[in-house]
Amino acid sequence: KNQVEQSPQSLIILEGKNCTLQCNYTVSPFSNLRWYKQDTGRGPVSLTIMTFSENTKSNGRYTATLDADTKQSSLHITASQLSDSASYICVVSGRPPYSGAGSYQLTFGKGTKLSVIP
Amino acid sequence: DGGITQSPKYLFRKEGQNVTLSCEQNLNHDAMYWYRQDPGQGLRLIYYSQIVNDFQKGDIAEGYSVSREKKESFPLTVTSAQKNPTAFYLCASARERDSNSPLHFGNGTRLTVT
Repeated sequence: KNQVEQSPQSLIILEGKNCTLQCNYTVSPFSNLRWYKQDTGRGPVSLTIMTFSENTKSNGRYTATLDADTKQSSLHITASQLSDSASYICVVSGRPPYSGAGSYQLTFGKGTKLSVIP
Repeated sequence: DGGITQSPKYLFRKEGQNVTLSCEQNLNHDAMYWYRQDPGQGLRLIYYSQIVNDFQKGDIAEGYSVSREKKESFPLTVTSAQKNPTAFYLCASARERDSNSPLHFGNGTRLTVT
């Protein structure tokens, strides 16, 4: 069964500090992994996408890593700001087992709730 | 600005009543989706549509119905058959049902059924 596990479940950090969120998955065959940011009461917004051949990708203060061998990804946030307070959701896309078998399947993690405090 | 609009933001209904959630997009996307989000759980797919007049059941379609009469619109009806309808509902769209196309989400409708 395809699964995406995120840790920690929640995290509180001081403004200006760095933090790292983890995502482990068992989705196979793997297509890509995407991180979304969801502010409270709003829809998720895509931060970055990682494909099989990519190890690191940055988007401003956000840096995502992917280790396809161990099936792990991390999202590192540098110099945190109050506006970083949100839930961060890891979503893994699995390829259909063969052509015509159906569409890509998305498996969502439960998210990590990050609170940045002054 | 292009985007997805969900309405209303909050919805309250009595048990036994059907209710329809609106989702409109002006991104010219072919694929549209409905997800349900409950506390402590990942998003779960209710229905999706890849083209007008066609839609497919997701993982938790029981008690829900949809229509796709226009490319821009994908309304979701929560019927009285849905046992636990209280939840946060998210509509999303994508350029195509392609792994590398990001989902664009609306800001959700919070449905409370008492």
